[in-house]
Amino acid sequence: GQNIDQPTEMTATEGAIVQINCTYQTSGFNGLFWYQQHAGEAPTFLSYNVLDGLEEKGRFSSFLSRSKGYSYLLLKELQMKDSASYLCAVRGWDNYGQNFVFGPGTRLSVLP
Amino acid sequence: DTEVTQTPKHLVMGMTNKKSLKCEQHMGHRAMYWYKQKAKKPPELMFVYSYEKLSINESVPSRFSPECPNSSLLNLHLHALQPEDSALYLCASSQDIGPGGEEQYFGPGTRLTVT
Repeated sequence: GQNIDQPTEMTATEGAIVQINCTYQTSGFNGLFWYQQHAGEAPTFLSYNVLDGLEEKGRFSSFLSRSKGYSYLLLKELQMKDSASYLCAVRGWDNYGQNFVFGPGTRLSVLP
Repeated sequence: DTEVTQTPKHLVMGMTNKKSLKCEQHMGHRAMYWYKQKAKKPPELMFVYSYEKLSINESVPSRFSPECPNSSLLNLHLHALQPEDSALYLCASSQDIGPGGEEQYFGPGTRLTVT
């Protein structure tokens, strides 16, 4: 099976930078995704990593180290609208075939 | 059009009812997904269809029955549900499930209450 861990909650100030970590254990790793979910809304895709290194997309960057089973999402120039849950998800393989599992999510609060 | 639509938005059903949730996308995606999400928990994958064939079935109880009539439509048939099945049911689609980005686009969800 898969085991994914993220901090439950984080708080940061508007304009600051915040790093949300994700650690995972999986067999047959085949990609790591970050999604944003505002309360009462559906998740929206932020980033995808399958190779080691940093992927940058505007104010959001995501890093992956496959050997360490570790990823982080970096949010720069935080805005109030960034207050949301951030979900790390891993695609891998188990005894039943391919699977896709979300981590527990990190609830980020951005304060003025 | 990058939209996944789901109907109904809300559904209340009794434990003896039979109902269906519907999902539609017109992005030409060949993979479609059903997730279940309880409050303050992450989405849990239930089923994946790839090219209209059931690709992943996460050992979901048989009272949930998925159907993919064509590449744009995905249904979830519900029968004899339990109160603990009350949750937000999310549909998603992606271009494929093979290697690559496979960014999933989520619909707004159906909030299901079983009484």
